[in-house]
Amino acid sequence: GAGVSQTPSNKVTEKGKYVELRCDPISGHTALYWYRQSLGQGPEFLIYFQGTGAADDSGLPNDRFFAVRPEGSVSTLKIQRTERGDSAVYLCASSLKGAGHYEQYFGPGTRLTVT
Amino acid sequence: GDSVTQMEGPVTLSEEAFLTINCTYTATGYPSLFWYVQYPGEGLQLLLKATKADDKGSNKGFEATYRKETTSFHLEKGSVQVSDSAVYFCALSDQTTDSWGKFQFGAGTQVVVTP
Repeated sequence: GAGVSQTPSNKVTEKGKYVELRCDPISGHTALYWYRQSLGQGPEFLIYFQGTGAADDSGLPNDRFFAVRPEGSVSTLKIQRTERGDSAVYLCASSLKGAGHYEQYFGPGTRLTVT
Repeated sequence: GDSVTQMEGPVTLSEEAFLTINCTYTATGYPSLFWYVQYPGEGLQLLLKATKADDKGSNKGFEATYRKETTSFHLEKGSVQVSDSAVYFCALSDQTTDSWGKFQFGAGTQVVVTP
């Protein structure tokens, strides 16, 4: 079956612009996660959805970052007034349920470059 | 808070050598532990997991044992191949705190296997 997909695979934007990153999880997975990975680092948690609601958004760095999952499937991560420090690979993952012992399946990521 | 510490890389070794990557963790609850692998140009893939103390996860010749007394989850493989060259990430998910569901990753260890 299909894995987690993310679009676009690459996004180059100018400082100050708005961007949207999309994630399509594995069908039937109720939990969806967003992470950010900087070069040479491990993924850093941003936000976690259980169904349509954000169960934990403690990793969002500031109020320029926002994510939605309106129908409990596809999710969009939105970044306003982008800054050069936002440049990173944004990873999406999904799991069957939101319990800690369920493995997370990762998408290929969106590489965001802010110039 | 929860954290994961991995040995720094790169780890360079010859084909058929024994590989160990150290991983230790700090958690307030009872975490599940995971190893993920990222091959060049690919996304994160689950390698193995263990959900309780003394469990051993294994896959593709790799093994790791959940040691609660030493808070460790070291990854081992008896005879590596060139195709094992990748970045390996240790991760935990704490099941008994408000961090339920989100993963805490280590910084990653790059492994380079030469013929």
